[in-house]
Amino acid sequence: KNQVEQSPQSLIILEGKNCTLQCNYTVSPFSNLRWYKQDTGRGPVSLTIMTFSENTKSNGRYTATLDADTKQSSLHITASQLSDSASYICVVTLILTGGGNKLTFGTGTQLKVEL
Amino acid sequence: DTGVSQNPRHKITKRGQNVTFRCDPISEHNRLYWYRQTLGQGPEFLTYFQNEAQLEKSRLLSDRFSAERPKGSFSTLEIQRTEQGDSAMYLCASSLGQSNTGELFFGEGSRLTVL
Repeated sequence: KNQVEQSPQSLIILEGKNCTLQCNYTVSPFSNLRWYKQDTGRGPVSLTIMTFSENTKSNGRYTATLDADTKQSSLHITASQLSDSASYICVVTLILTGGGNKLTFGTGTQLKVEL
Repeated sequence: DTGVSQNPRHKITKRGQNVTFRCDPISEHNRLYWYRQTLGQGPEFLTYFQNEAQLEKSRLLSDRFSAERPKGSFSTLEIQRTEQGDSAMYLCASSLGQSNTGELFFGEGSRLTVL
């Protein structure tokens, strides 16, 4: 069973609209929670990183929230653009030997923005 | 510096053949990670290096897989006696190990197709 669950699996919205993507995780204890954007056939690109003590983090039109008590996170995208069409992946981080980060990825929400 | 570089970008091979992928991380990054991603799934952790030391290996990394980072710079991932189930995108990432929230920068991946 995946330790990071995302919903919805896919989403279609009109350009200019807002949307919110959800993430529930069971990975514990964790160091931080990240949201990545991945275009088809490309490597993931980081959007936000939040430690367990942070509730919210913004990066331009992207705002992530974290509730460590309920183990939930959300990614809100405002004023969507066609270029936002991609997979958005929630990632929970554990600390590895030597201090490296082991990222546990969700399966992603596939977002499509249409005219 | 142009980020994390992976090659080849695409590799098609016959079952039973050996393949090797190379990753050149961002030059000053001491941490290097390999991930595998299959269609519709998020990336899965394979292994992690700090400098030349391989500090963590996933159970996903069977005996047919071997990764090296001999001089603490570039890394290679070799798959011996490939199987059709090895078909996936192999992603490399690097980070500068200063904190637990260290940004991981991903390459564009090497896509393997085993016929």
